[in-house]
Amino acid sequence: KQEVTQIPAALSVPEGENLVLNCSFTDSAIYNLQWFRQDPGKGLTSLLLIQSSQREQTSGRLNASLDKSSGRSTLYIAASQPGDSATYLCARVRGPSGSRLTFGEGTQLTVNP
Amino acid sequence: KAGVTQTPRYLIKTRGQQVTLSCSPISGHRSVSWYQQTPGQGLQFLFEYFSETQRNKGNFPGRFSGRQFSNSRSEMNVSTLELGDSALYLCASGVQGGYNEQFFGPGTRLTVL
Repeated sequence: KQEVTQIPAALSVPEGENLVLNCSFTDSAIYNLQWFRQDPGKGLTSLLLIQSSQREQTSGRLNASLDKSSGRSTLYIAASQPGDSATYLCARVRGPSGSRLTFGEGTQLTVNP
Repeated sequence: KAGVTQTPRYLIKTRGQQVTLSCSPISGHRSVSWYQQTPGQGLQFLFEYFSETQRNKGNFPGRFSGRQFSNSRSEMNVSTLELGDSALYLCASGVQGGYNEQFFGPGTRLTVL
């Protein structure tokens, strides 16, 4: 079973909508969780890092939350714009001794003007 | 501060050849991790180096190897290339470990013919 799961796999919304992307993990072994965006053919851009002692982080129109007990994280994007169109990936780190990220499959977001 | 740089950006090789990819982390970062990204398998962890020592290793055959130099720059080598090695290879750098945010380079696109 996939360790990290993202739902939905794809999402298409009109400009201006608020939206939520979901990330779930199979066990509660999480040290921190990081959200990234990836534009086609490019590398990953870090959006937000939530450490295990935190419940949420905010950056501009983005808000990410972490619920370790339920094994879930959500990324909330307010007032979406066409420039937000990209693939969004969540990844977790299990423990402090190492930087190994385990990624979900991603959510492909399209924001239509 | 300069970001993570990877060279070369594109490579075309034939089966059986070997290839070396390079990654220069953000100044001050001592951890470098490598990932392979393919449409079918998503992002998969190859290995992580910290202070010139391999700290974590993913589930890849021995044809994949790496090293890290005293200036934290890292190289990844793939010997006896196979068609299935065609992928985007990404490296990530972090200050020291899983506690810290990780930053990715633009990737090296490897095509094996």
